[in-house]
Amino acid sequence: AQRVTQPEKLLSVFKGAPVELKCNYSYSGSPELFWYVQYSRQRLQLLLRHISRESIKGFTADLNKGETSFHLKKPFAQEEDSAMYYCALSGNTDKLIFGTGTRLQVFP
Amino acid sequence: EPEVTQTPSHQVTQMGQEVILRCVPISNHLYFYWYRQILGQKVEFLVSFYNNEISEKSEIFDDQFSVERPDGSNFTLKIRSTKLEDSAMYFCASQQGMSQPQHFGDGTRLSIL
Repeated sequence: AQRVTQPEKLLSVFKGAPVELKCNYSYSGSPELFWYVQYSRQRLQLLLRHISRESIKGFTADLNKGETSFHLKKPFAQEEDSAMYYCALSGNTDKLIFGTGTRLQVFP
Repeated sequence: EPEVTQTPSHQVTQMGQEVILRCVPISNHLYFYWYRQILGQKVEFLVSFYNNEISEKSEIFDDQFSVERPDGSNFTLKIRSTKLEDSAMYFCASQQGMSQPQHFGDGTRLSIL
């Protein structure tokens, strides 16, 4: 079964602290993994995808096939990072399968 | 930057009525999607559309649902006879080509009374 699990509904940190948003997946083939972000009252936006291996807004994510994980990390959180973060995968078709999302709150 | 636009932003409809949700994808995009998010739950795939036909649909997308691209710019989702459980946020997305990122609209909040 295709599934994306984000175990934390809410993650609260102070500005400047490291952040790790967890994502685990279940898929029998070779999926493509994504992180989408939704800032308050805005649309879902692609933050990054594993095949591009780039860092966006200081965030990185590494696909670990052994642990079937795609955790999102940032070494120093900023207040403007406060948002809803969704991990998603696509398989042999391009439909996206989303996790339940993690709300990141960054306090000043 | 071009955006996917959805109208209306909020639709309130009586149970049993038909509703049409509208989307204008980005103009050079070829693949189109509808997703929904029931309050407090995950975003779920409904249907994908390419070359004027459905390419994939989920088990949620039953006979009450249909999609259309009537004029080459709009992409619509119709629910024939709405049920209370259809209340959700409905997101449209478009994609330029296979394996390209999907771009999402702001969503339409559908409330069934």
